[in-house]
Amino acid sequence: SYELTQPPSVSVSPGQTARITCSADALPKQYASWYQQKPGQAPVVVIYKDSQRPSGIPERFSGSSSGTTVTLTISGVQAEDEADYYCQSPDNNGTNYVFGTGTKVTV
Amino acid sequence: QGQLQESGPGLVKSSETLSLTCTVSNNPISTYYWSWVRQPPGKGLEWIGFIQYSGSTKYNPSLKSRVTISVDPSKNHFFLKLTSVTPADTAVYYCARGRGGSHSGYYFYHLDVWGKGTAVSVSS
Repeated sequence: SYELTQPPSVSVSPGQTARITCSADALPKQYASWYQQKPGQAPVVVIYKDSQRPSGIPERFSGSSSGTTVTLTISGVQAEDEADYYCQSPDNNGTNYVFGTGTKVTV
Repeated sequence: QGQLQESGPGLVKSSETLSLTCTVSNNPISTYYWSWVRQPPGKGLEWIGFIQYSGSTKYNPSLKSRVTISVDPSKNHFFLKLTSVTPADTAVYYCARGRGGSHSGYYFYHLDVWGKGTAVSVSS
């Protein structure tokens, strides 16, 4: 089955840069999206199509991809960025739209 | 910007069917991928599936035998049915609006509007 692997946790000081990776279990990856989820709240998309930022999302959030790995970068991390982050990507057949294992970002 | 609201029973007995409704406001049910996602207590997100306005559906392979997603455009509602539930299906269930497609063999999909979620417990 298709799996997306993320580091369980990332710790960063305010003003520093946080990088969260998401690796595909096998074969060429499809476009990925990233979601931020704070406790007790629904997720919010922060990046889609690997590197596109929705309106209203701060510029400090950016996305990139290389081979079978996508990366979410948060530049100049703020306390309000402390949350769980999930990647999501379709499998190669466009039949299963898997979420990654999730990363807890601690500021 | 559309709004979504989940509704349905908060408690379901094992072996019965979980049925949820998502009401879509300020947004016609067309073009998008109307999706369901769930999150067991203390765990990560799990994609359940989606339905397109055309009626085409995609389901998580691990749930496919038990899941049906349908839509009623006249009422701007879409629905989730999960049969033969067990305590492992206890989760917060979210409905969401998806944007997706494919070109040159690459698929894209993301969920840009979410409901607040509804907690469903399955009793043994």
